Amino acid sequence: DSGVTQTPKHLITATGQRVTLRCSPRSGDLSVYWYQQSLDQGLQFLIQYYNGEERAKGNILERFSAQQFPDLHSELNLSSLELGDSALYFCASSVGGRAYEQYFGPGTRLTVT
Amino acid sequence: SQKIEQNSEALNIQEGKTATLTCNYTNYSPAYLQWYRQDPGRGPVFLLLIRENEKEKRKERLKVTFDTTLKQSLFHITASQPADSATYLCAPPGGGKLIFGQGTELSVKP
Repeated sequence: DSGVTQTPKHLITATGQRVTLRCSPRSGDLSVYWYQQSLDQGLQFLIQYYNGEERAKGNILERFSAQQFPDLHSELNLSSLELGDSALYFCASSVGGRAYEQYFGPGTRLTVT
Repeated sequence: SQKIEQNSEALNIQEGKTATLTCNYTNYSPAYLQWYRQDPGRGPVFLLLIRENEKEKRKERLKVTFDTTLKQSLFHITASQPADSATYLCAPPGGGKLIFGQGTELSVKP
């Protein structure tokens, strides 16, 4: 158990809908990272927050947004969902802001039908 | 652009042998590099971090080398066990984030 929690574990929704994925980092970790993993793309970095502020951005679509709250939990919002958004979404956390030693959650499997 | 390449084919070895996985990077010089293990459907697990001034790092049966001249990191598992079967990901930093390789799938047969 990494100490990172993600909810929900599974999500099935229709195209055009909006969903919110939630992540709670390990106790004491200030950074939260979001990744998308699909079969043909590998692990793709989406965005990082450090102590409430956006720190780094990857190939995150404009339909996706995220935030980190004062209690350090984070939410990833995915809107206008498309079939191609079906993937495993992982959250990871680390103590500092420099991407050292990331601890990953169990992931949320999103299926868009 | 920054590119990470790992052994694209799965690696099959016999229990007790040493597994060696390769990570090559091009177009930049990372200050450090991390290795992660991922089991199917689960989140990656951090294994080791090696810095550019460290030629080698060990943790139990794991050994990582970092050759900045060759732009390559090697990941070794000695006395491999079937429980070591997983996908191993190389992840150097780039642009303030980690860039994960596609991973090498290791299968250790009893």
